[in-house]
Amino acid sequence: GNSVTQMEGPVTLSEEAFLTINCTYTATGYPSLFWYVQYPGEGLQLLLKATKADDKGSNKGFEATYRKETTSFHLEKGSVQVSDSAVYFCALRGLGSARQLTFGSGTQLTVLP
Amino acid sequence: DADVTQTPRNRITKTGKRIMLECSQTKGHDRMYWYRQDPGLGLQLIYYSFDVKDINKGEISDGYSVSRQAQAKFSLSLESAIPNQTALYFCATSARYQETQYFGPGTRLLVL
Repeated sequence: GNSVTQMEGPVTLSEEAFLTINCTYTATGYPSLFWYVQYPGEGLQLLLKATKADDKGSNKGFEATYRKETTSFHLEKGSVQVSDSAVYFCALRGLGSARQLTFGSGTQLTVLP
Repeated sequence: DADVTQTPRNRITKTGKRIMLECSQTKGHDRMYWYRQDPGLGLQLIYYSFDVKDINKGEISDGYSVSRQAQAKFSLSLESAIPNQTALYFCATSARYQETQYFGPGTRLLVL
């Protein structure tokens, strides 16, 4: 079945530091890949997505590239802010009639001023 | 106003009690989902519905039931709550042929 493995947290960075959160997946075919973000006390929000190999998703300074050869979709940001503190979830949407989302376990990011 | 709302936001109940969590949406989406979130486990799909007459079990449906009363409403019931159902529950919606899911704010449930 489908699975998503995320870098374990928590991750603590200083403001303006570079961020990488690793995500690898197992799936049949070419799933769509997503990063969702959950701010404290809120539901998940879509951060970015990529639907085919070599696509780059980007939003709010975050980027992730769909790498079929390494089955990865690592999240990066060049300079984090305190407001980026949240839990980040990598997810995939597989093939087939149901096409459900499979989530990773989430990575807690704390950015210190 | 929020597009996806959940009630209640917090609930404490006792083992063996029946409870219902409700979800409403104003996005006009056909598809609705219920997930539970446990620390360190991400989100797991409980049930999903592609329209009012199409309801399907997810990964962890045992101990839960759902009702799709209308396109905009999707309720999750715990027939006889047990402590290991203590979790954060999220409702989500998506449009047909669209991949993005939109999440409600969550219901925090504690079963004593």
